[in-house]
Amino acid sequence: EAQVTQNPRYLITVTGKKLTVTCSQNMNHEYMSWYRQDPGLGLRQIYYSMNVEVTDKGDVPEGYKVSRKEKRNFPLILESPSPNQTSLYFCASSLQGYTEAFFGQGTRLTVV
Amino acid sequence: GNSVTQMEGPVTLSEEAFLTINCTYTATGYPSLFWYVQYPGEGLQLLLKATKADDKGSNKGFEATYRKETTSFHLEKGSVQVSDSAVYFCALSKNTDKLIFGTGTRLQVFP
Repeated sequence: EAQVTQNPRYLITVTGKKLTVTCSQNMNHEYMSWYRQDPGLGLRQIYYSMNVEVTDKGDVPEGYKVSRKEKRNFPLILESPSPNQTSLYFCASSLQGYTEAFFGQGTRLTVV
Repeated sequence: GNSVTQMEGPVTLSEEAFLTINCTYTATGYPSLFWYVQYPGEGLQLLLKATKADDKGSNKGFEATYRKETTSFHLEKGSVQVSDSAVYFCALSKNTDKLIFGTGTRLQVFP
């Protein structure tokens, strides 16, 4: 089954404690991206990757890091989380950046 | 720049009512247009799409027509069900650019 898998689904952490949200896709897609979803703001792109070892900033990259060492994986790293990063996060993959995107089920992060 | 504007929600309807969720866009040329749906506790999934003017996308009883003259892509369904309750996102893409999403419209359908 074609899918994008994120883990964990729910995470509560404390300010400053480094965390990683994993994302994996099994569709051999070139393009992967991370979004955050906040009430009234819709989906905002954090980072994206057009291929292995190629990553670039999206609209709201501050406080986040990513890596793309393998085609299927695209982890999101918060080196020093802060309460304003409390949000619902989605990973997505697609053949190209402008084609149909497939989304993971989301990670609800709370930073206290 | 390119952008998408959706009607504010929530949209509240009784079962079997007619649904319209408005979406207008700003973009040069001919973008591709999409509607995504997010059911409670899930990620977004593609509902329908249209890639050129006057195309009609359809799926699960939902329809949307790409109107170049009004730069719109309104989502419609003739008879909604409780199971259609979700958040609906309009989105566009153009050439090599990324997908650009609207802010989403929550639909609540009551029996």
